[in-house]
Amino acid sequence: DIQMTQSPSSLSASVGDRVTITCRASQNINSYLNWYQQKPGRAPKLLIFAASTLQSEVPSRFSGSGSGTDFTLTIDSLQPEDFATYYCQQSHSILFTFGPGTTVDVK
Amino acid sequence: EVQLVQSGAEVKKPGESLKISCRGSGYTFTTYWIGWVRQVPGKGLEWMGIINPGDSDARYSPSFQGQVTLSADRSSSTAYLQWTSLKASDTAMYFCARRNHDSGLALDIWAQGTLVTVSS
Repeated sequence: DIQMTQSPSSLSASVGDRVTITCRASQNINSYLNWYQQKPGRAPKLLIFAASTLQSEVPSRFSGSGSGTDFTLTIDSLQPEDFATYYCQQSHSILFTFGPGTTVDVK
Repeated sequence: EVQLVQSGAEVKKPGESLKISCRGSGYTFTTYWIGWVRQVPGKGLEWMGIINPGDSDARYSPSFQGQVTLSADRSSSTAYLQWTSLKASDTAMYFCARRNHDSGLALDIWAQGTLVTVSS
């Protein structure tokens, strides 16, 4: 199985801050890395696929980068609606795996 | 509108069987694999497995192999997740989601989830 790790597990930030979350795969997954946002009581929502492609209707303050084993999700100018938990997920193997999640809360 | 809609919340006793559903609409159901994800309350997302509704080819995460069964009915555009003997540890929210080959194989459409509670 491909294992996914994320850091940090949580972070506190203020509106307007720039936030960076990292994700690491246990083996090379090329660019088969996706990012999801989940709010309490809601289904996850796809933000970025293929490491850096923004899903339709996702604000441009979200961006992704990386390839191989190391990836980053960046939120420029954090907005009130961005406080949530973020998960990375590899789709290199049909046996998908998710990272443990990073919770972004209010400082 | 492209969407997936799951069946409603369930309360079951240990040892009982259960089958929950995920119905697709607004797209050709057989063209996209459907994945299933478990989320224990307060915890992260766990990948359970995936099924091709076109031919019912199913693949399971090792953690869930033998514990659940995935199936699909092309005629009703519905995928299913089934247990034959529930345990208290199966208490969780279960999501189905569409895998999109045009989006890096990401899960681009998610259903609202089905809460399964197993308690004596």
